[in-house]
Amino acid sequence: EADIYQTPRYLVIGTGKKITLECSQTMGHDKMYWYQQDPGMELHLIHYSYGVNSTEKGDLSSESTVSRIRTEHFPLTLESARPSHTSQYLCASTALGTGGAVNTEAFFGQGTRLTVV
Amino acid sequence: EDQVTQSPEALRLQEGESSSLNCSYTVSGLRGLFWYRQDPGKGPEFLFTLYSAGEEKEKERLKATLTKKESFLHITAPKPEDSATYLCAVQAREYGNKLVFGAGTILRVKS
Repeated sequence: EADIYQTPRYLVIGTGKKITLECSQTMGHDKMYWYQQDPGMELHLIHYSYGVNSTEKGDLSSESTVSRIRTEHFPLTLESARPSHTSQYLCASTALGTGGAVNTEAFFGQGTRLTVV
Repeated sequence: EDQVTQSPEALRLQEGESSSLNCSYTVSGLRGLFWYRQDPGKGPEFLFTLYSAGEEKEKERLKATLTKKESFLHITAPKPEDSATYLCAVQAREYGNKLVFGAGTILRVKS
């Protein structure tokens, strides 16, 4: 069973509010990811991190920011939420595979369903 | 052009009616192909990793196979509890080793 946790599970918030979605893993994985998924659609990578103090933007443009101060923690922040941010946000982590260059499977949290009204 | 394409988009089966889901990809330098199961409102749950053409893996009623340009997820004698969205993801050199997901196949198994 994967030990990766996201909070909150559901969040309804007003336009303009600042929010932080939490993601923590207890597996000691170096690599962590944030995906955005709309209903019935594929997952889109919005941020990733290969270790402490390392963060990169993903393939889908996002107005969110992330930080990686500790290995186990990878929070995502929206400074000013808008209705277009309404979506499901999924956090994942992977260990380094053998040889260092190949990922092992990614473990996902349960997701945060965000609604901005 | 989509880099990872899954078909069909949706599949309805009767309990016990075997079938296959397809995942095709256009990248070169494949490092791994991953299958996940996703239940509504939850995060994807890992099923299989395949690394090279000809590789096969099995788990209960599921069997995943890989060729040079596609992977199949075979479901033998499915049960209603197999109903879920099945996601395929590809990791390749040209993606910088990130995972690129397909849109998924929604499977419904009726008793």
